[in-house]
Amino acid sequence: QKEVEQDPGPLSVPEGAIVSLNCTYSNSAFQYFMWYRQYSRKGPELLMYTYSSGNKEDGRFTAQVDKSSKYISLFIRDSQPSDSATYLCAMTRLGGGADGLTFGKGTHLIIQP
Amino acid sequence: DAGVIQSPRHEVTEMGQEVTLRCKPISGHDYLFWYRQTMMRGLELLIYFNNNVPIDDSGMPEDRFSAKMPNASFSTLKIQPSEPRDSAVYFCASSLSATGQPQHFGDGTRLSIL
Repeated sequence: QKEVEQDPGPLSVPEGAIVSLNCTYSNSAFQYFMWYRQYSRKGPELLMYTYSSGNKEDGRFTAQVDKSSKYISLFIRDSQPSDSATYLCAMTRLGGGADGLTFGKGTHLIIQP
Repeated sequence: DAGVIQSPRHEVTEMGQEVTLRCKPISGHDYLFWYRQTMMRGLELLIYFNNNVPIDDSGMPEDRFSAKMPNASFSTLKIQPSEPRDSAVYFCASSLSATGQPQHFGDGTRLSIL
């Protein structure tokens, strides 16, 4: 079993829909959780960064962490065609950049105009 | 501000040749990471440095892989000899060690070993 599991998709939804992306993990030592967005032939770019359980909102994006269930989610409201990309969850034991990230394999998201 | 800069963007070479990938981190960042991305395995950490010193190289797949960071503004990842299974996209990332600071990624080097 991989440390981080993520459905690879593709996930196709119509413009304006609410998108839900999820990851599960097995290592209880993970404390910091991130979502990255990756466009084709580009590097991952950070969308959300959270610590411990709870919700964090930034514009149309909401990140949720449930450490008791080892489950994290990213919600995208009012989805736009420009949101079409691969979304990677990532997590780490230590804060900041002082540790390597463990990634899910990514979910390929397609927003249909 | 300039982001993480990687070169070359694309590399195609024959099996057995030496390959050198280069990375310039964001100025002032004290951590540098090398990752590899494949369809089968996703993004995996290879090695990372703190203040130019290698901290964890447990992700380096074989002795054919080596990485150096001779100064704060430059790092290399070398594969010698290269094999077709090394074909992947190699990413470099840098960060500050302060809590809450994310890793910033370059756009990667797409490596094809024939």
